Amino acid sequence: GEDVEQSLFLSVREGDSSVINCTYTDSSSTYLYWYKQEPGAGLQLLTYIFSNMDMKQDQRLTVLLNKKDKHLSLRIADTQTGDSAIYFCAEIRGSYGQNFVFGPGTRLSVLP
Amino acid sequence: EAGVAQSPRYKIIEKRQSVAFWCNPISGHATLYWYQQILGQGPKLLIQFQNNGVVDDSQLPKDRFSAERLKGVDSTLKIQPAKLEDSAVYLCASNPSGGESQYFGPGTRLLVL
Repeated sequence: GEDVEQSLFLSVREGDSSVINCTYTDSSSTYLYWYKQEPGAGLQLLTYIFSNMDMKQDQRLTVLLNKKDKHLSLRIADTQTGDSAIYFCAEIRGSYGQNFVFGPGTRLSVLP
Repeated sequence: EAGVAQSPRYKIIEKRQSVAFWCNPISGHATLYWYQQILGQGPKLLIQFQNNGVVDDSQLPKDRFSAERLKGVDSTLKIQPAKLEDSAVYLCASNPSGGESQYFGPGTRLLVL
């Protein structure tokens, strides 16, 4: 298909790890992104990974990229209530690598 | 560094009326994007500018939507006339030339009654 896909909901307990998954479509995407959106706010860039990398770690965030399966995941360690938000993955498409295509978003709920 | 600014933050209009949104990107950012985010969905690109030229407007409903970035800095997006299905959040984003990340404004929430 042509859509970037994500599961829509994820619920975890505070202190546990969260893993948000994404399947993208364009194997030539040079960068893949994770954005966070809190209620009533715009999108905040969390992290991105270059397509020649398998993994990127940034404090509590770990991004894994499986290019063969076009699968991207975001792991949040020690999930806190402040992590409750919608998480979007995005890929770049287009001849000049300029068109960002977003998934539908995964709503993460962190339970105390 | 100031972020991407958008106004108004909220707008309520009746169908068939016109509405305009304004965006001021981060200073020095050559590329500017307008997205439409319908409730429960990810943002969908409407139009992309590089300086004052249009790079991609393939998903812009040109019969009712228009956008301009005359001086290559701030931009306006207009809907005329609005339909009920235009109710959404309109997000503006920018990035510097060759930059790999987009920076988003807070969005304008439009409700068409």
